[in-house]
Amino acid sequence: QVTLRESGPALVKPTQTLTLTCTFSGFSLSTSGMCVSWIRQPPGKALEWLALIDWDDDKYYSTSLKTRLTISKDTSKNQVVLTMTNMDPVDTATYYCARIGRAHYMDVWGKGTTVTVSS
Amino acid sequence: EIVMTQSPATLSVSPGERATLSCRASQSVSSNLAWYQQKPGQAPRLLIYGASTRATGIPARFSGSGSGTEFTLTISSLQSEDFAVYYCQQYNNWPPALTFGGGTKVEIK
Repeated sequence: QVTLRESGPALVKPTQTLTLTCTFSGFSLSTSGMCVSWIRQPPGKALEWLALIDWDDDKYYSTSLKTRLTISKDTSKNQVVLTMTNMDPVDTATYYCARIGRAHYMDVWGKGTTVTVSS
Repeated sequence: EIVMTQSPATLSVSPGERATLSCRASQSVSSNLAWYQQKPGQAPRLLIYGASTRATGIPARFSGSGSGTEFTLTISSLQSEDFAVYYCQQYNNWPPALTFGGGTKVEIK
């Protein structure tokens, strides 16, 4: 059974750096074609894709946020980490991680973690 | 960036009726389109991939169609558990620049 779980702080202050961890099981990110992606959803708004890392350690970012995002993986721990710098109240959202397989759609999602940016 | 536009924003439907949701891409995405269902307080769930293939465990009342720039999600007979927000997402751009539509909320009429 494939599962993903997001973890991180519930509250960050403006200008701080957010670090989120996606811990997964049921698949290996060293398997060819496997990827993990981060997506966020502000309250009452639509989904927004943020970043993706693949089995070969290639990394891809949303054009609008790429200067603030860094994605990395620890294959031995089955974890993917996303950092976002210079947090702002508009970054308040639920952050999800999801698995992407060879066919490139997001087939399994974590439950999400809610992050509030406030002083 | 490929822009995905969903319509309508809200669809009011009575239980047992048919619901038709639309998704348009700003340029061709071939059949590289997925639909997700999201209920309040829950993560999105994959319904359809490849524009028309149901994901594992998805009931047959959900069907997807289309290719290129025009796509449709049809729910043939709405059940109470189907009232939710539905998102389309293209994955044609690879290396990825993945984009979602703005969502369609299906509510009880």
